[in-house]
Amino acid sequence: KQEVTQIPAALSVPEGENLVLNCSFTDSAIYNLQWFRQDPGKGLTSLLLIQSSQREQTSGRLNASLDKSSGRSTLYIAASQPGDSATYLCAVLSGSARQLTFGSGTQLTVLP
Amino acid sequence: DAGVIQSPRHEVTEMGQEVTLRCKPISGHDYLFWYRQTMMRGLELLIYFNNNVPIDDSGMPEDRFSAKMPNASFSTLKIQPSEPRDSAVYFCASSLSSGGDEQFFGPGTRLTVL
Repeated sequence: KQEVTQIPAALSVPEGENLVLNCSFTDSAIYNLQWFRQDPGKGLTSLLLIQSSQREQTSGRLNASLDKSSGRSTLYIAASQPGDSATYLCAVLSGSARQLTFGSGTQLTVLP
Repeated sequence: DAGVIQSPRHEVTEMGQEVTLRCKPISGHDYLFWYRQTMMRGLELLIYFNNNVPIDDSGMPEDRFSAKMPNASFSTLKIQPSEPRDSAVYFCASSLSSGGDEQFFGPGTRLTVL
């Protein structure tokens, strides 16, 4: 059974800092990995999707990497802003049932 | 496109009542997913459909839960009878294809069962 772990559970940084969020998964036979953002009381917004054959994806100040063999992904946020404050969720698509398994998230607070 | 649409956004009901949650996927998407989010268990897949056909319902917690997709633009998740432990946020998501493409989530329905 696929398990996804996100470290740290919470992170607080001053505005302008670069930061890295970590995601690990137990079964490396994945189809893709997706990073989401969730604001309090809101739905999930897809940030980046990395296919299993890819190593990284970039969107603006966000860069996500994937090391499938070691079961790890990182989300790098450059020059953080208070508007980046949210919970970031990592999810992997795997298994014969093609199920999306989510981590428990990292709650990010960027202090002005 | 308006994205995935869910209704109602909030639902408060009493134990034993029937609850129906609704979802309209993004037009052209052939996969539809229902998830439940709780503090204790995080986000869990309940069931998903491909071309209106249920493919995997192994995540549906009990027989009290049922889901239908009568056409490509509408799905329902029904709980009958509801219990306090069903209180959670229920999300609907859709994608063009499973395995390759992004899943796009609706805003969710926050269900409270008293």
